[in-house]
Amino acid sequence: DVKVTQSSRYLVKRTGEKVFLECVQDMDHENMFWYRQDPGLGLRLIYFSYDVKMKEKGDIPEGYSVSREKKERFSLILESASTNQTSMYLCASSLFGGEQFFGPGTRLTVL
Amino acid sequence: GENVEQHPSTLSVQEGDSAVIKCTYSDSASNYFPWYKQELGKGPQLIIDIRSNVGEKKDQRIAVTLNKTAKHFSLHITETQPEDSAVYFCAATYNFNKFYFGSGTKLNVKP
Repeated sequence: DVKVTQSSRYLVKRTGEKVFLECVQDMDHENMFWYRQDPGLGLRLIYFSYDVKMKEKGDIPEGYSVSREKKERFSLILESASTNQTSMYLCASSLFGGEQFFGPGTRLTVL
Repeated sequence: GENVEQHPSTLSVQEGDSAVIKCTYSDSASNYFPWYKQELGKGPQLIIDIRSNVGEKKDQRIAVTLNKTAKHFSLHITETQPEDSAVYFCAATYNFNKFYFGSGTKLNVKP
């Protein structure tokens, strides 16, 4: 079974802190994605990566950056957390043209 | 970019009844339409998908229909069971990199 794990289920940070969310997949997938999920808005793509060190902006990249140094790991970075970044963050991975597998999510609260 | 609208936002049915969730999309280039089920505390999981060269696909109690002309697709669940209670998301993509999600439907199946 494909497994996508996220480093934390719940995270509480203060405004202005630098926040790292980690995602690891164990199926050698080329593609990895970061989404945020907000009530009534569905899932919105922040960034995706189709290979090591390769990344592309999604629909809402402002205030976020990403890092993919190894194929299995994709990190989302909030350079200076703000209260409007309080959300559920979901990581996913897939082979190109294939099904997306999601992690369990990280619920981030920024105070 | 693509815009996916999903209705209804909540749906309550009696156990054994059918449930239908509808989505419309705006970009005629979209060619892959997955449906995800998200249970409480978990990430979304693919339950069925359809490609643009097919009009209907069925898997046991669930089916998806696609009308390319009208740019809409629907999820049909028959003989609903309490374990079908969850949030369902539709999505659309044309390149398997950017997926555009609907806002979600919370399905409640009453025993």
